[in-house]
Amino acid sequence: SQTIHQWPATLVQPVGSPLSLECTVEGTSNPNLYWYRQAAGRGLQLLFYSVGIGQISSEVPQNLSASRPQDRQFILSSKKLLLSDSGFYLCADGYTFGSGTRLTVV
Amino acid sequence: SQELEQSPQSLIVQEGKNLTINCTSSKTLYGLYWYKQKYGEGLIFLMMLQKGGEEKSHEKITAKLDEKKQQSSLHITASQPSHAGIYLCGADWGSGYALNFGKGTSLLVTP
Repeated sequence: SQTIHQWPATLVQPVGSPLSLECTVEGTSNPNLYWYRQAAGRGLQLLFYSVGIGQISSEVPQNLSASRPQDRQFILSSKKLLLSDSGFYLCADGYTFGSGTRLTVV
Repeated sequence: SQELEQSPQSLIVQEGKNLTINCTSSKTLYGLYWYKQKYGEGLIFLMMLQKGGEEKSHEKITAKLDEKKQQSSLHITASQPSHAGIYLCGADWGSGYALNFGKGTSLLVTP
């Protein structure tokens, strides 16, 4: 079965700073990969999904971007963080989720 | 409008009591996934239901999908403090990609 690795677990960043969150997958090849954001009381919101290397689809307009440089690597980025980017970010492969990254923008 | 509704939003039960969480979809479900989440942690997969009328159990947790495949319930028997957390249902509507999630049910089990 597949395992999703995410890091870091927690992150505190100042407004205007860049962001890079990494997700890697073990135990499967050519997975569909997803980035979700979970805000308090709002459930999980799909941000990006990827069906293969270099293929990214965005679900909502925002300050974030995603990239997939390798088959089992999915990266969430921002050039300049906003306060509203704070939240809990989860990477998933189908229905298996990583342990998440809690981002606080201050 | 919300296409996947969970109820209740929060629940406080006494240890040993039974409880039920519901998940209602506005569209026919190709699959319904139940997860548990501790605060600040990832989602732990509990069960997946696909067939109308299907029922699955894991330890003291039972999930059912109705015949019309638009509603699922999660039932916990003789709740324990270890059952506390947020329960989320995720819907596969046959789009071929991501699950759509309800807002979750926060469960607290008191001694």
